[in-house]
Amino acid sequence: ETGVTQTPRHLVMGMTNKKSLKCEQHLGHNAMYWYKQSAKKPLELMFVYNFKEQTENNSVPSRFSPECPNSSHLFLHLHTLQPEDSALYLCASSQEAAAGGGNQPQHFGDGTRLSIL
Amino acid sequence: AQKVTQAQTEISVVEKEDVTLDCVYETRDTTYYLFWYKQPPSGELVFLIRRNSFDEQNEISGRYSWNFQKSTSSFNFTITASQVVDSAVYFCALSEPRGSQGNLIFGKGTKLSVKP
Repeated sequence: ETGVTQTPRHLVMGMTNKKSLKCEQHLGHNAMYWYKQSAKKPLELMFVYNFKEQTENNSVPSRFSPECPNSSHLFLHLHTLQPEDSALYLCASSQEAAAGGGNQPQHFGDGTRLSIL
Repeated sequence: AQKVTQAQTEISVVEKEDVTLDCVYETRDTTYYLFWYKQPPSGELVFLIRRNSFDEQNEISGRYSWNFQKSTSSFNFTITASQVVDSAVYFCALSEPRGSQGNLIFGKGTKLSVKP
């Protein structure tokens, strides 16, 4: 059983729909991440939350809106997406020092496969 | 700028063969961390190993071994006596130094197919 759970596993939506991706980690970690994995491209970091505070936004379009209500849950709200947003969206968590990080292994969920019609 | 290059896009081997996955990185930092992850068809990335820039000792874990060479900026991964269950996409990653929260720079991955 993975320590990071993502729902739904698959999502098909139209460009005008609003949906949310959910991520939950059971590892007691204090940092959570959203990544986008498109075909033939490296994994792209989208957002980072450390101690529930957003510390990174990698120039992600505003049609993606993250929310981190507590250190165990992370959401990605989707609105008016484009066909090029079809991808696998991966959530990860890690235990980082308060002063900074980047050196701890990240534990990933199974991802949500998103298809935009 | 940090960069990770995995030149091998796809590798296909027959079971029991040894296979080496290459990873070359670029960074101006003297302190950095390197990682390998495995992504099976199910999608989840599985952490395999972390190495810091001050530890050049090679590591062996069962059939897996890693060769870290700072002189050539490489962190290669070898699977000995490959098995069908090793079939997956393998990613090498580099982390930016402390102060840049969680910025893992991933290579494009190498897809390994192990045939029976």
